[in-house]
Amino acid sequence: DAKTTQPNSMESNEEEPVHLPCNHSTISGTDYIHWYRQLPSQGPEYVIHGLTSNVNNRMASLAIAEDRKSSTLILHRATLRDAAVYYCILRATGGSGYALNFGKGTSLLVTP
Amino acid sequence: DTEVTQTPKHLVMGMTNKKSLKCEQHMGHRAMYWYKQKAKKPPELMFVYSYEKLSINESVPSRFSPECPNSSLLNLHLHALQPEDSALYLCASSRWGTAGEAFFGQGTRLTVV
Repeated sequence: DAKTTQPNSMESNEEEPVHLPCNHSTISGTDYIHWYRQLPSQGPEYVIHGLTSNVNNRMASLAIAEDRKSSTLILHRATLRDAAVYYCILRATGGSGYALNFGKGTSLLVTP
Repeated sequence: DTEVTQTPKHLVMGMTNKKSLKCEQHMGHRAMYWYKQKAKKPPELMFVYSYEKLSINESVPSRFSPECPNSSLLNLHLHALQPEDSALYLCASSRWGTAGEAFFGQGTRLTVV
């Protein structure tokens, strides 16, 4: 499986934008970039995913580098409820690769 | 309905007990997954089912026995567990054959005494 590298932790002030980076230098051409987050005592929750182009949804934006070796999850205005562990995961599109294999993730702390 | 429902939410069992965890979804997803998560660690994949057939077993000990009786249900049968098997067990589902989102349940918190 192609691996991802994320910072262990990040901190943000409430109501400010947050940029969560992810490196995936061994990504293959058919791997999708997925982001999930896990709030304390809950199951992981889908945030966003993309292949090559930047993506926006109601929760966040995903910026993908042109060479696809890195990506950034952008929370436009952090709230206290966004404090969670954020996982960047490469999801293959063939064979056994449909399963999500979690890395260590980034623990986001949001302070008032 | 975009929910994955897991029961029970909490379970305490002795090392000689037999118990089962249950997972249900009604989104028509044909891929279902079991994960194990220890405290402050990421979820670890245990099993993958596609179209009710086991497609991936990540070298999980035989004291964990998965079962997929139909396209909406996934069970995890537990027998002769050890205290180190205490963890949060998560179920997930997704469409098979696409790279779209997966949906996770809230998990079953298992304690083996």
